[in-house]
Amino acid sequence: EDQVTQSPEALRLQEGESSSLNCSYTVSGLRGLFWYRQDPGKGPEFLFTLYSAGEEKEKERLKATLTKKESFLHITAPKPEDSATYLCAVQGSSSASKIIFGSGTRLSIRP
Amino acid sequence: DVKVTQSSRYLVKRTGEKVFLECVQDMDHENMFWYRQDPGLGLRLIYFSYDVKMKEKGDIPEGYSVSREKKERFSLILESASTNQTSMYLCAGSSRGDTQYFGPGTRLTVL
Repeated sequence: EDQVTQSPEALRLQEGESSSLNCSYTVSGLRGLFWYRQDPGKGPEFLFTLYSAGEEKEKERLKATLTKKESFLHITAPKPEDSATYLCAVQGSSSASKIIFGSGTRLSIRP
Repeated sequence: DVKVTQSSRYLVKRTGEKVFLECVQDMDHENMFWYRQDPGLGLRLIYFSYDVKMKEKGDIPEGYSVSREKKERFSLILESASTNQTSMYLCAGSSRGDTQYFGPGTRLTVL
């Protein structure tokens, strides 16, 4: 059964303090791994799609990396506006169009 | 710029009422999805559609139905709303095997 586990559940950082969020997954044949940002009361906002181990993508202070078992979302020198919940999701080769979401990491950046 | 819109941001209904949630996408996506999101339970798939007039049950379809008469529009119907259907409802669209893009969400309260 496809599964996604995100850690930690919550992370509090000081402004400028870099860190990483983890997404571990179990899937039969990875078609894609997705990262989203979600602000309170809003829909998830798409960040990245990764397709194969070794792939990396960057956007401003965020960098996503992928191995065969996990993905990391690295946040470099974060600012308070980076505070949000970050969701990871995977799509396996046997799941048609469905994707499986993790429960998210709540990130809080203190000024 | 991709766009998924939902008919209401906030909705308050009474127990037993029939409720319609509308979703429209302008991305010409084949696939559309309805999720609900609850604290501690994450995103759960209710129904999805991979073509006009086609629908598939997700993980929690009980108490819901859907309609897709046009490619760009996907409706979620609560035949007889109950208090345990109070939730955030999120619509998403995607092309085959690709990233899902979400709408802003509808916060439904059933009294």
